[in-house]
Amino acid sequence: EIVLTQSPATLFLSPGERATLSCRASQSVSSYLAWYQQKPGQAPRLLISETSNRATGIPARFSGSGSGTDFTLTISSLEPEDFAIYHCQQRRNWPVTFGGGTKVEIK
Amino acid sequence: EVQLVESGGGMVQPGGSLRLSCEVSGFIFSSYAMSWVRQAPGKGLEWVSAISGSGDNTYYPDSVKGRFTASRDNSKNTLYLQMNSLRVEDTALYYCATNPPSGSGYYYYFDYWGQGTLVTVSS
Repeated sequence: EIVLTQSPATLFLSPGERATLSCRASQSVSSYLAWYQQKPGQAPRLLISETSNRATGIPARFSGSGSGTDFTLTISSLEPEDFAIYHCQQRRNWPVTFGGGTKVEIK
Repeated sequence: EVQLVESGGGMVQPGGSLRLSCEVSGFIFSSYAMSWVRQAPGKGLEWVSAISGSGDNTYYPDSVKGRFTASRDNSKNTLYLQMNSLRVEDTALYYCATNPPSGSGYYYYFDYWGQGTLVTVSS
């Protein structure tokens, strides 16, 4: 099973700042990595698939990069609605697995 | 508009069974693989099953293999999850989610989600 480790667990930032979230895989997942945003009491929402492809309706301030075992989600300038939990997920191998999540909190 | 509505959750004793349903609309159901993903209270996400568009192929992690069975009725636009031999650690909010088509297969990431149905396993 591929283990995904997200860091940091919590990120304290202010609106307008840049957020950089990391997801590291225990073995290569090629480019088969996705990112989701989850707000309290809501289902996750797909942000990015295949490392860097933004889903429909996702603002350009969200971008993904990386390959193999190291991946990054960048939010270029945080908006108030971006404070949430972010999950990464790999589809390279069965079972599909998720990381433990990074919470982006208001400083 | 894509909609997924889960139902069937509730409280059950350890060893018991539940059947979850997910009724969908707004897309061609048979073209999509479908998955169930769960989230224990305050915890992360865990994928628990996937089923191809035709229903011919199913996939499970070891944590539920042999206990959970996914099925679908494409004529009713409905996905199911039969959960047997339930354990306390199966307590979670269960989401159904879509897996979009890709050539001859599917992309096993999750592009649309329902709001979830809560399963509580407790004595």
